[in-house]
Amino acid sequence: DSGVTQTPKHLITATGQRVTLRCSPRSGDLSVYWYQQSLDQGLQFLIQYYNGEERAKGNILERFSAQQFPDLHSELNLSSLELGDSALYFCASSVDGGSGYNEQFFGPGTRLTVL
Amino acid sequence: GEDVEQSLFLSVREGDSSVINCTYTDSSSTYLYWYKQEPGAGLQLLTYIFSNMDMKQDQRLTVLLNKKDKHLSLRIADTQTGDSAIYFCAESEPATGTYKYIFGTGTRLKVLA
Repeated sequence: DSGVTQTPKHLITATGQRVTLRCSPRSGDLSVYWYQQSLDQGLQFLIQYYNGEERAKGNILERFSAQQFPDLHSELNLSSLELGDSALYFCASSVDGGSGYNEQFFGPGTRLTVL
Repeated sequence: GEDVEQSLFLSVREGDSSVINCTYTDSSSTYLYWYKQEPGAGLQLLTYIFSNMDMKQDQRLTVLLNKKDKHLSLRIADTQTGDSAIYFCAESEPATGTYKYIFGTGTRLKVLA
């Protein structure tokens, strides 16, 4: 158990819909990262938040957005869903202590299926 | 650019050594990591190496880093059936201000009994 929780575990929805994925980081971790794992794109970095502020953006679509709340949990919002958005979405957290080494702890993922 | 490549599949017999290879393109990466993903599970850190090291050993795991060729390898000695999983290498470049990972494509290791 990494200490990172994600809900829901599975999500099935239809094209055009909007969903919210939730992540609670490990106690004490200030950074939250979101990754998408799909068969054709592999494991791709989407976005990072650090202590409530966006720190880095990767290959995140404009239809997707995220935020980190004062209690440090994070939500990833996916809208106008398409079949190609079906994937496993991982959240990871880390301390980001500034030493260079930074282990990320991964949650179990949310499997999104768009029908 | 950021591009980390791995071979997709590796099959070995139980008790043999496994070697999983990774090539990366970002020469400024300071830490390189190996993660393991078991079926239906998240990713778990196996080991890491700092860019000023050539080798790191941790029990059955040996990491070799060739900075000149931007090549990283993970050797698993005495491979067991429980080692069957997908293995990802990842690079991180904290100088950019973020510790985001750039993951390789993943290598699916199958251990035959």
